Amino acid sequence: SQQGEEDPQALSIQEGENATMNCSYKTSINNLQWYRQNSGRGLVHLILIRSNEREKHSGRLRVTLDTSKKSSSLLITASRAADTASYFCASYNQGGKLIFGQGTELSVKP
Amino acid sequence: EAGVAQSPRYKIIEKRQSVAFWCNPISGHATLYWYQQILGQGPKLLIQFQNNGVVDDSQLPKDRFSAERLKGVDSTLKIQPAKLEDSAVYLCASSLELASNEQFFGPGTRLTVL
Repeated sequence: SQQGEEDPQALSIQEGENATMNCSYKTSINNLQWYRQNSGRGLVHLILIRSNEREKHSGRLRVTLDTSKKSSSLLITASRAADTASYFCASYNQGGKLIFGQGTELSVKP
Repeated sequence: EAGVAQSPRYKIIEKRQSVAFWCNPISGHATLYWYQQILGQGPKLLIQFQNNGVVDDSQLPKDRFSAERLKGVDSTLKIQPAKLEDSAVYLCASSLELASNEQFFGPGTRLTVL
């Protein structure tokens, strides 16, 4: 079963706009991670936020975590065509397995 | 630093045939994972190794799937016999240790079963 569920499933925006993706998870976590997958570079780790953190930044990426709501969001600011990819949240379950959500497919149009 | 290598990149077979995938993890990474990613879904863990021992294979369909990592480095994943529903991308990943914060993924093998 999937630990995380992303929303929306697909998102289409213009270059320069911001993109926000949301993730909800089921069980308690130590940290939550976001990955990006595109045909050129495969699946790549983007950012990790720990359960005691509420917000984290990395370049144009901003991740928030609300453990009371079991949800996280990934914001990409000033999007570029190269950001076109699928984005997945993932977290370790109690058994130590990394469980991925279904992903959000982001399309950034030039 | 070389990344995770996988081969082949693409494979097309007919149902009931056999197929094998190969993975070479990042040097020094003790933990190796095989994931199955069906189109439109996130990766699903099939099996994970710590060195040459199996840590978790609870989601591996053992009647047809097998995997080994004999010398604690390279790994092979085999499907015998393949079914139509096995069509997916098979991803190999490695990490320094179990439940490591970051896993490094290979490019995957896209399997099509006709």
